[in-house]
Amino acid sequence: QKEVEQNSGPLSVPEGAIASLNCTYSDRGSQSFFWYRQYSGKSPELIMFIYSNGDKEDGRFTAQLNKASQYVSLLIRDSQPSDSATYLCAFLSGGYNKLIFGAGTRLAVHP
Amino acid sequence: SAVISQKPSRDICQRGTSLTIQCQVDSQVTMMFWYRQQPGQSLTLIATANQGSEATYESGFVIDKFPISRPNLTFSTLTVSNMSPEDSSIYLCSVVGSSETQYFGPGTRLLVL
Repeated sequence: QKEVEQNSGPLSVPEGAIASLNCTYSDRGSQSFFWYRQYSGKSPELIMFIYSNGDKEDGRFTAQLNKASQYVSLLIRDSQPSDSATYLCAFLSGGYNKLIFGAGTRLAVHP
Repeated sequence: SAVISQKPSRDICQRGTSLTIQCQVDSQVTMMFWYRQQPGQSLTLIATANQGSEATYESGFVIDKFPISRPNLTFSTLTVSNMSPEDSSIYLCSVVGSSETQYFGPGTRLLVL
């Protein structure tokens, strides 16, 4: 069983729509979850982190965490073509700052 | 967040040779890591670069192949030794900021022929 599962996509949404990206993880002990955005040919850029159950909002981005279901998601409101990238879900494993990454979901926002 | 630079940004190397990648941070950081991202894949942790002691390697990575130095709290190097085409990847260093967040350098794109 993979430690982090993400749908590889591509997820295609029209401009202005809500993009919903999902991630499940296997480590029940993990407390810290992260979403990174990676443009083609670039390094990952941290966009959200969440530690508590529930929602966390930052601008157009909302991260949602459900530890009981081992599920974390990222919502992007008013999607823009510039949001087209691969989104990587990650969690901290074992309390040693070791990040475990999912394979990433490719998002395509079309005008 | 800290500003992280890496050198070289990219390189093309012949098999059997070695390449040393540098990672420089503009502030002192305790935790520094090296990752690899193979073509079309996600990130895999190679090792934790420990200041003043030997690096801590993840399963599947060994010191002879990926020696790491960390002479101070702002600098680290990763060497990819005796390269083969399978080593063609992006190599990234990262540092830990506040709230356990990790930030990545721009990466080094390596192609081994």
